[in-house]
Amino acid sequence: GENVEQHPSTLSVQEGDSAVIKCTYSDSASNYFPWYKQELGKRPQLIIDIRSNVGEKKDQRIAVTLNKTAKHFSLHITETQPEDSAVYFCAGDFFGNEKLTFGTGTRLTIIP
Amino acid sequence: DAGITQSPRHKVTETGTPVTLRCHQTENHRYMYWYRQDPGHGLRLIHYSYGVKDTDKGEVSDGYSVSRSKTEDFLLTLESATSSQTSVYFCATFGGEGDTQYFGPGTRLTVL
Repeated sequence: GENVEQHPSTLSVQEGDSAVIKCTYSDSASNYFPWYKQELGKRPQLIIDIRSNVGEKKDQRIAVTLNKTAKHFSLHITETQPEDSAVYFCAGDFFGNEKLTFGTGTRLTIIP
Repeated sequence: DAGITQSPRHKVTETGTPVTLRCHQTENHRYMYWYRQDPGHGLRLIHYSYGVKDTDKGEVSDGYSVSRSKTEDFLLTLESATSSQTSVYFCATFGGEGDTQYFGPGTRLTVL
């Protein structure tokens, strides 16, 4: 099956700085790339997603970029706040049947 | 939260006993999924369903079976639980206004 590599596995940034998490995939095509945020002891929740017909999407402090040629997509969080501390997962719909493949997650810690 | 509930939310059982986890959704979504989440492995798909009585295996299906007799319910059964099945189990559905995947609150299962 398709593997999604997610980097870094842990990330610490000073409050107010930006954070970037990157995911790469190898073989298959996907038209849908969601990002999930999971707080400790909670369920993963969708924070932003992008479809293959656009290269970038923004929602307030969060943006996602997609480079289908290079097969990577990234999550950008600007002006980070303590409540951004969580584990973030990227995913892709590589099989085109609403079956997502997830990256292994990035633990983001915002340092006050 | 796409109207997804899971029961039980916590369970402790002994090796060799059968266990059934239930996922119930109120949104009439066609697709439903069972994942397990373990440290270092992210979210791994166990089984999924694309309709009533239509199910298929995911990447970690050994030792698990599923059933879907109604659109709203998706059951995950561990026929004979083992300690390696200690994990947090998430149910998910795909659909809704965002046409994306939504997760249930999770079930923490401990097999002693």
